[in-house]
Amino acid sequence: DVKVTQSSRYLVKRTGEKVFLECVQDMDHENMFWYRQDPGLGLRLIYFSYDVKMKEKGDIPEGYSVSREKKERFSLILESASTNQTSMYLCASSSEEGSTDTQYFGPGTRLTVL
Amino acid sequence: GQNIDQPTEMTATEGAIVQINCTYQTSGFNGLFWYQQHAGEAPTFLSYNVLDGLEEKGRFSSFLSRSKGYSYLLLKELQMKDSASYLCALTGYSSASKIIFGSGTRLSIRP
Repeated sequence: DVKVTQSSRYLVKRTGEKVFLECVQDMDHENMFWYRQDPGLGLRLIYFSYDVKMKEKGDIPEGYSVSREKKERFSLILESASTNQTSMYLCASSSEEGSTDTQYFGPGTRLTVL
Repeated sequence: GQNIDQPTEMTATEGAIVQINCTYQTSGFNGLFWYQQHAGEAPTFLSYNVLDGLEEKGRFSSFLSRSKGYSYLLLKELQMKDSASYLCALTGYSSASKIIFGSGTRLSIRP
């Protein structure tokens, strides 16, 4: 079974704090993704990565950065958290092998910025 | 670009059948996914359609028509545990591994 884990289920931070969200997958997947999910807006892609030390901007990268130093780990960084970054953050991974691009999701981190 | 449209909410009765539609406008894509997401949990994979036609998996079936820009998810013999959001998603045209999600349809099952 594919397992994607995220460092926290719930997180509360203050405006201006630096926030790290960690994601680890144990299936040797090449691709990893960070999304945020908000009511009425669905899942929106923040950043993704096809390989170690490689990153690409998604649809809403502003205010975020990422780090992929190891294949199994993909970190999302909020340099200076703001209240509009209160959201559910979901990490996902997928493999380059096979005929589908099925993404497997972690349990999510619900971040509240006060 | 890619636009994906789904109804926001639907209600159905336990034991019945429900069809959740998804329409899209895109210049091209590799395949279409359906994911299920229970409240407060992560999305989980249900189905993937590449070719036109119906894919059946137990109580769930998914249909794709590329010429009509249309897909649906069919749920039979509804159970209370089927209450969830159902997300339609397309693999990105520019990148085979990038998926574009619709906003999802929240399905409520009543006894």
